[in-house]
Amino acid sequence: EPEVTQTPSHQVTQMGQEVILRCVPISNHLYFYWYRQILGQKVEFLVSFYNNEISEKSEIFDDQFSVERPDGSNFTLKIRSTKLEDSAMYFCASKVINNQPQHFGDGTRLSIL
Amino acid sequence: GENVEQHPSTLSVQEGDSAVIKCTYSDSASNYFPWYKQELGKGPQLIIDIRSNVGEKKDQRIAVTLNKTAKHFSLHITETQPEDSAVYFCAASKDSGYALNFGKGTSLLVTP
Repeated sequence: EPEVTQTPSHQVTQMGQEVILRCVPISNHLYFYWYRQILGQKVEFLVSFYNNEISEKSEIFDDQFSVERPDGSNFTLKIRSTKLEDSAMYFCASKVINNQPQHFGDGTRLSIL
Repeated sequence: GENVEQHPSTLSVQEGDSAVIKCTYSDSASNYFPWYKQELGKGPQLIIDIRSNVGEKKDQRIAVTLNKTAKHFSLHITETQPEDSAVYFCAASKDSGYALNFGKGTSLLVTP
């Protein structure tokens, strides 16, 4: 069964540094999402992306965050200047068309030191 | 915005018993309600979903019920097995294309 693939599985970064989290959505999917889960808390929506533009974003997704689909297969989340509170599990999700469910990757654990 | 409450936070059952997890939501515009299972070190995996035009949906040992008037929905797992042990999340959204608003999760432990 096709899967959403995320790399790296664990990223350790110094506070203030830029970090890029990478995702390869399922190949025929058109809608892409990033969520995060701080340890012990609920999964929170960050941003959705469709047709090469952001379609929805949460209050968490401020100017420090950006997303990009640089080619036909990757979907990236960039955090420009990381803060300690950015430490979390980041999940990428995708879906094929509008009335189908979202499929999640296994996540990238981001640790900010 | 949407607020999803999930209970209980932990649930321990004997193998073979049933497990029920309940969620409530606040936004009457929500019409899509998926349930995800998360095993250790893995991402959330969809196990069943329901839309607001349906009151109940079943898939083998798993069923979901929805009461739109009361704004609550529940996950029912029958004949539980040890491999059902995981964290279960409910979610709600205006449509499957929109942001999912998750509950805090229920850690289910099925003991042999």
